[in-house]
Amino acid sequence: QDQLVQSGAEVKKPGASVNVSCRASGYRLSTYGLTWVRQAPGHGPEWMGWIGIKNGDIKYAQKFQARVTMSIDTSTITAYMEVRSLRSDDTAVYYCARCLSSFGLYGMDVWGQGTTVTVSS
Amino acid sequence: DIVMTQSPLSLPVTPGEPASISCRSSQSLLHSNGYNYLDWYVQKPGQSPQLLIYLASNRASGVPARFSGSGSGTYFTLQIRRVEAEDVGIYYCMQGLQSPGTFGQGTKVEIK
Repeated sequence: QDQLVQSGAEVKKPGASVNVSCRASGYRLSTYGLTWVRQAPGHGPEWMGWIGIKNGDIKYAQKFQARVTMSIDTSTITAYMEVRSLRSDDTAVYYCARCLSSFGLYGMDVWGQGTTVTVSS
Repeated sequence: DIVMTQSPLSLPVTPGEPASISCRSSQSLLHSNGYNYLDWYVQKPGQSPQLLIYLASNRASGVPARFSGSGSGTYFTLQIRRVEAEDVGIYYCMQGLQSPGTFGQGTKVEIK
């Protein structure tokens, strides 16, 4: 069964960085695209960015461009997302999700279980 | 960014009755390849979102046939033919035509 397994919950202080991992199981990571989405408490999902693994293309939502880096380690079939200069409003559940196409942003058919990141002093 | 607007935001339903959610986009989601880049997701309490419909009208693998999607351009609809108790959750539309992907505000479906 195709799965995405994410790293565990994190508690960080304002100004720190966090690295969330997302490991693919049961399928070839390079065949699909991968999206990162976050959801703040009581809010809807917010699209953060996408990696087209086949061609190495990466798209970031403009609001995250300066503070977020997405990457892939194909040898370990793991995707990573680093968020720097954390603020209290970065407190959210962070999800990775597989896209049906290696080129398109649509059709997120497999989701990770989510990683809770809490930013608090 | 493309703005997605859903209605209603709250939808009380009776099991066995049909239900419908609409989603409008601020720009056409119709690509030159003929596909509309509109997805529907549901998020049940305490769970990750799940894909229901992609490219406006294609049911995702394992999704019951009572769910259907329609529409083109800037107006889309998700229909549930006969609601079941397990369908409670928050339903979101999302456009995947251009970066950044954007979600609607969500429609909370609950049993009357």
